[in-house]
Amino acid sequence: EPEVTQTPSHQVTQMGQEVILRCVPISNHLYFYWYRQILGQKVEFLVSFYNNEISEKSEIFDDQFSVERPDGSNFTLKIRSTKLEDSAMYFCASGGGVETLPYFGAGTRLSVL
Amino acid sequence: GNSVTQMEGPVTLSEEAFLTINCTYTATGYPSLFWYVQYPGEGLQLLLKATKADDKGSNKGFEATYRKETTSFHLEKGSVQVSDSAVYFCALSLLSGYSTLTFGKGTMLLVSP
Repeated sequence: EPEVTQTPSHQVTQMGQEVILRCVPISNHLYFYWYRQILGQKVEFLVSFYNNEISEKSEIFDDQFSVERPDGSNFTLKIRSTKLEDSAMYFCASGGGVETLPYFGAGTRLSVL
Repeated sequence: GNSVTQMEGPVTLSEEAFLTINCTYTATGYPSLFWYVQYPGEGLQLLLKATKADDKGSNKGFEATYRKETTSFHLEKGSVQVSDSAVYFCALSLLSGYSTLTFGKGTMLLVSP
């Protein structure tokens, strides 16, 4: 069964450092998403991406965050200068269309120290 | 705004016990409702869904009925197994597609033999 792959499974970084979270979506999917879950809180939508541009973003997704599809297979989330409150599980998802539910990856746990 | 509220976990049950995980929602329109499950080390997987009032979603012995009058979508299973141990997320989507999901916090289920 096709799956969305996220690496690394756990990323530890120092406050103020830049991190890049990587995702390999399902190969024929065109819609890509990032969600996050701070420990003990809800899973929150961050951003959706289609046709090489952001199609929707939440108020959480400020200038500190950026997304990119650098090649035909990867989808990345960059956090420019990490803060303690960025510590969370980050989920990548991909979908074949707006009318189809996305498939989620297992998540990357980001710990900012 | 839109939100999903789930019962706090963990829910601890013995094998073959009856399961209920409560979920209520608030939405500015007419949502589609979902239950996702996350097994250890895996991604969020769609468990079941319902798109209109009184619809019952079902899968793998789990059921949930879309109750518009009580704005609820409670998850039930008649007889749980150890392999059902996971985190369960209730979610809604308001768009005609599914590009943005609003999730609850998740409820951990632990089933012992």
